[in-house]
Amino acid sequence: AQTVTQSQPEMSVQEAETVTLSCTYDTSESDYYLFWYKQPPSRQMILVIRQEAYKQQNATENRFSVNFQKAAKSFSLKISDSQLGDAAMYFCAYRSATGNQFYFGTGTSLTVIP
Amino acid sequence: EPEVTQTPSHQVTQMGQEVILRCVPISNHLYFYWYRQILGQKVEFLVSFYNNEISEKSEIFDDQFSVERPDGSNFTLKIRSTKLEDSAMYFCATGLASYEQYFGPGTRLTVT
Repeated sequence: AQTVTQSQPEMSVQEAETVTLSCTYDTSESDYYLFWYKQPPSRQMILVIRQEAYKQQNATENRFSVNFQKAAKSFSLKISDSQLGDAAMYFCAYRSATGNQFYFGTGTSLTVIP
Repeated sequence: EPEVTQTPSHQVTQMGQEVILRCVPISNHLYFYWYRQILGQKVEFLVSFYNNEISEKSEIFDDQFSVERPDGSNFTLKIRSTKLEDSAMYFCATGLASYEQYFGPGTRLTVT
């Protein structure tokens, strides 16, 4: 089974600053999808960003961008101009192009300091 | 914006009882999933459902679990005889395409 590792259980960032959350994964497949989900205290998981492995260009969504390094099996999330509403648990997830199951990491709890 | 909804938001049940958790997918979605998250742990895949049948299931999804979409709208997860270790947050997710998943707010199941 694929594994997703988030090595930072907790991170903090000053409001308006930039923070990078790390994620690595293990797979023998060449085609897959990677995701970052945000889980605020309300506990509903919200999709932040998606990256297709066949695309070399890093995905971006407004203040959120990823650094996808396929050879290194690394998929980090950069949050620019951090806002108080960004405080949440962030989960990295992997999905094979052929399977249905999403594999989640253990999460990184992000605190935004005013 | 359409959302996945789940009912109930919180269910308390006694060990050995049956529970049914309900999910209303976004209307045109075709792929359906159940996940669980034990408090403080990561989200774990239970089952995926497409074209009225299970397409994939995890080791967690044993004979005590079942899913169905009885009326073409609601997607349900049934646990036949709950155990203490079934206490968790259960999330439904749905997608129009297989590579996307939109999550519901979850049902917190407490087994006493």
